[in-house]
Amino acid sequence: EDQVTQSPEALRLQEGESSSLNCSYTVSGLRGLFWYRQDPGKGPEFLFTLYSAGEEKEKERLKATLTKKESFLHITAPKPEDSATYLCAVKYVGNSGYSTLTFGKGTMLLVSP
Amino acid sequence: DSGVTQTPKHLITATGQRVTLRCSPRSGDLSVYWYQQSLDQGLQFLIHYYNGEERAKGNILERFSAQQFPDLHSELNLSSLELGDSALYFCASSVDWEWGAGELFFGEGSRLTVL
Repeated sequence: EDQVTQSPEALRLQEGESSSLNCSYTVSGLRGLFWYRQDPGKGPEFLFTLYSAGEEKEKERLKATLTKKESFLHITAPKPEDSATYLCAVKYVGNSGYSTLTFGKGTMLLVSP
Repeated sequence: DSGVTQTPKHLITATGQRVTLRCSPRSGDLSVYWYQQSLDQGLQFLIHYYNGEERAKGNILERFSAQQFPDLHSELNLSSLELGDSALYFCASSVDWEWGAGELFFGEGSRLTVL
């Protein structure tokens, strides 16, 4: 059973067309939710950390929000350079008693000029 | 540039063979994490080392093993390779043992192709 589910799997937008990506999670004892960006052939790059419901973080055209069961990454007036795969990850304490960072499968965003 | 170095960048080998992937973390980072990324499974956590000691294990196969050396670099050993092991293998690092509060620094990955 997937603990982190991202939707949609892929999204194509026109430049300037705002939209949102979704990340839902089922883990208990959440210790944080994180957004990463991954460009083709590169490693993921950290974007945001969210810890509690109601929290919001912004960076340029991106805004991340968190509720008790999901997070949204809002993209306002995207540009072609925003094209990438956006990964959501949750940190929680696993059965071993140690923290684990589990990633979703990502949303591939393509912004056309 | 994240500061995390992985070698080799590309590796092609045959089934049944053994390979070693190498990772040098960012200067000052004590934790190294290994992830496997495939198209259908996404990023899967394999193993975490902190200051030379194994900290946590994820979905790591028994054919795979890792270690972290006194100079903090890490190696991931993959043996008896199968076609399904073809994937991108990422190393990430953080300064602490608690996943850097979620901010991991990833290398550019090692792409393994098993023929």
